Amino acid sequence: TQLLEQSPQFLSIQEGENLTVYCNSSSVFSSLQWYRQEPGEGPVLLVTVVTGGEVKKLKRLTFQFGDARKDSSLHITAAQTGDTGLYLCAGARLRGYQLTFGKGTKLSVIP
Amino acid sequence: DADVTQTPRNRITKTGKRIMLECSQTKGHDRMYWYRQDPGLGLRLIYYSFDVKDINKGEISDGYSVSRQAQAKFSLSLESAIPNQTALYFCATSDPGQGIYEQYFGPGTRLTVT
Repeated sequence: TQLLEQSPQFLSIQEGENLTVYCNSSSVFSSLQWYRQEPGEGPVLLVTVVTGGEVKKLKRLTFQFGDARKDSSLHITAAQTGDTGLYLCAGARLRGYQLTFGKGTKLSVIP
Repeated sequence: DADVTQTPRNRITKTGKRIMLECSQTKGHDRMYWYRQDPGLGLRLIYYSFDVKDINKGEISDGYSVSRQAQAKFSLSLESAIPNQTALYFCATSDPGQGIYEQYFGPGTRLTVT
């Protein structure tokens, strides 16, 4: 059973466009993280959200945690070619010590 | 220097061979993890260790074993490699005192079993 569903699976956009990636679950998480992975490298942590309704901004990236702590979104404003990569969300369950990863959204930003 | 290193970076081996993937970290974290990544399946946890004397199975531990030789070293072994173990393997570390389950990944090992 896939606990975290990410959508879309693939996304190809022009440089300068805005986009939103979603991470959804029927389970409640104590925290949720977003990672970006580039080809040939390991995932790199972008942000952790903890509180329901929390919004965090990282330059052109805006992350939101759902009020019920079951879902999250990542919005990128004015995408750049450097944003290209695989975006992974990962949730920490209320009980337990492991992260559950979504399958990822592969983003391609075309110049 | 990278905080989490993995060796080798690439490995091609034959069915039935025993191989070991190694992970070292200089972050001083107690918790270490091994994941495999397959296209369309995402990252799946193989084993994790919270300290030198603690080893725990993840969701896909069959066919794998691990050894935590020291706080900084965590090795993954495939006793008898099979083709469906072809994947990208990542080591990761975390320190709950610094961030809630935030994990720091190595660069990965691309393993091909022929």
